[in-house]
Amino acid sequence: GAVVSQHPSRVICKSGTSVKIECRSLDFQATTMFWYRQFPKKSLMLMATSNEGSKATYEQGVEKDKFLINHASLTLSTLTVTSAHPEDSSFYICSARAGDIDGYTFGSGTRLTVV
Amino acid sequence: QKEVEQDPGPLSVPEGAIVSLNCTYSNSAFQYFMWYRQYSRKGPELLMYTYSSGNKEDGRFTAQVDKSSKYISLFIRDSQPSDSATYLCASTSGGGNKLTFGTGTQLKVEL
Repeated sequence: GAVVSQHPSRVICKSGTSVKIECRSLDFQATTMFWYRQFPKKSLMLMATSNEGSKATYEQGVEKDKFLINHASLTLSTLTVTSAHPEDSSFYICSARAGDIDGYTFGSGTRLTVV
Repeated sequence: QKEVEQDPGPLSVPEGAIVSLNCTYSNSAFQYFMWYRQYSRKGPELLMYTYSSGNKEDGRFTAQVDKSSKYISLFIRDSQPSDSATYLCASTSGGGNKLTFGTGTQLKVEL
């Protein structure tokens, strides 16, 4: 089946630094990728949708200059949290879509802790 | 009103019980309905999806969708401790549109 690899699984960074999270589709080409944020015991909150080769579409309330998304190829999307602050600490999950409903495959998530 | 509503639980059942998980939705444009299972600190894993109304069965899992009442259900038969996880329902209108998730129901199956 479709596999999405997300790295790193866990990262601790200092306040003010930037962190990059990678999401790769390993055995299919992902036309669309989604980035979510999840707080403890809460559901997934969609942050942005990205299509290969075009600018990401951000959900209302998500700062696009803070959460930079790049979808440069059909197998790779990156989320960069810029000038991270403790309130950015969260679980970030990517999802890639190959082109059909079954293709909504999720990565294993990245736990970001900003100290 | 959220587009997809789901009781967060927690729900605790004995091993072997039949589990019923439910969601309601408000967006009439939703055509595809999914159930995901999420273990702690992991990404969601697709369990089942259904197009429009009807039932779908896969082993111990049965998904039901009633579009007339905008009601989505997941039944787990002969529940096992390994089924302990958070179950998320999700819907989309299709065509590459985003998934809308419920809040998730935390399930614990006890020995």
